[in-house]
Amino acid sequence: QKEVEQNSGPLSVPEGAIASLNCTYSDRGSQSFFWYRQYSGKSPELIMFIYSNGDKEDGRFTAQLNKASQYVSLLIRDSQPSDSATYLCAVDNQGGKLIFGQGTELSVKP
Amino acid sequence: GAGVSQSPSNKVTEKGKDVELRCDPISGHTALYWYRQSLGQGLEFLIYFQGNSAPDKSGLPSDRFSAERTGGSVSTLTIQRTQQEDSAVYLCASSLAGNNQPQHFGDGTRLSIL
Repeated sequence: QKEVEQNSGPLSVPEGAIASLNCTYSDRGSQSFFWYRQYSGKSPELIMFIYSNGDKEDGRFTAQLNKASQYVSLLIRDSQPSDSATYLCAVDNQGGKLIFGQGTELSVKP
Repeated sequence: GAGVSQSPSNKVTEKGKDVELRCDPISGHTALYWYRQSLGQGLEFLIYFQGNSAPDKSGLPSDRFSAERTGGSVSTLTIQRTQQEDSAVYLCASSLAGNNQPQHFGDGTRLSIL
């Protein structure tokens, strides 16, 4: 079992819709969770982080964490074509280093 | 303020040569990380420096890889006797001290081994 798993996609949503990106992790002791956005040919850009169970909202983005289910998700409301990118879920394995999922490719169609 | 700076942005070299990749972290960030991203692969942790502590080298794939950090700031990742499988984008990130701090990435060095 991979340590951090994401659906590779591509996930295609129409402009204005809600995009839902999901991630599961295997280390129950993980404390912090990050979402990065990566445009093709570019480096990862931090968009959200969450440490506690529940929801955390920042503009159009909401991160959701459920430690009991070892599940973290990212919702993007009012999706825009500029949101089209690969979204990487990353988990801090308590040593400082991040363990990344393979990423979910999101395509927002105008 | 300035972000994480990496150089060179691209490096092409012949198999068997040594290469050095440089990372200058965000000012004030005491933690520095190296990752690599191969085509079609996820980001893979290589090494982590935190202040004056001994680095976590657990992700280095072989003894051909080494890294150092001078003066608690700039870091150099060295790959000796490069192999074609070393071709990847090498990414550096930095963060504030302490657990659970968000890491911010540089633009990376795209390394191609001929």
